[in-house]
Amino acid sequence: DGGITQSPKYLFRKEGQNVTLSCEQNLNHDAMYWYRQDPGQGLRLIYYSQIVNDFQKGDIAEGYSVSREKKESFPLTVTSAQKNPTAFYLCASTRQGGNVLTFGAGSRLTVL
Amino acid sequence: AQSVTQPDIHITVSEGASLELRCNYSYGATPYLFWYVQSPGQGLQLLLKYFSGDTLVQGIKGFEAEFKRSQSSFNLRKPSVHWSDAAEYFCAVSSGGSYIPTFGRGTSLIVHP
Repeated sequence: DGGITQSPKYLFRKEGQNVTLSCEQNLNHDAMYWYRQDPGQGLRLIYYSQIVNDFQKGDIAEGYSVSREKKESFPLTVTSAQKNPTAFYLCASTRQGGNVLTFGAGSRLTVL
Repeated sequence: AQSVTQPDIHITVSEGASLELRCNYSYGATPYLFWYVQSPGQGLQLLLKYFSGDTLVQGIKGFEAEFKRSQSSFNLRKPSVHWSDAAEYFCAVSSGGSYIPTFGRGTSLIVHP
């Protein structure tokens, strides 16, 4: 079945370490997105990519980086510059020009 | 800029009772409107969407929503709630020009037996 796979499901990190969250989709979607979810704050857009080798900052990009070397993959790196990285991270995708997002199951990052 | 307001952080209903979750949006043109549901620790699943046409839209799991342009609202309803409906519900809005949706803060639905 087509879908989005996020890994790992749970991740613990020490302060000062970078960590990379994986997002892979086999839906043949062109656009991919990373959202951050905190309790009571809904979903906030970190980065998005509409085509391979191109991506744009969302509303809260500081302290994060992404790459889009393949259509299927859109990894997110949470850098040590992110001051409050503990959160639930969601990856999503759509076909080009589409409005309906398909979401992965999420990755929960905890900084110790 | 488009925005979405879900005024209720938590809603508690008894199983079998009716449900209405409120959503108000701010956007100049005709918006594309969505309701998503999220079970604990999971991603979001689309319940229903409105792009144009009939303002009452039907979705999965027995949910429906009505677009009211005059009130800038897109409220979600269900006539009889089941315990399995307990989840977080998100309203979202996008447009043809900026198709990236903006999400509300979510409403947590608690269902009492």
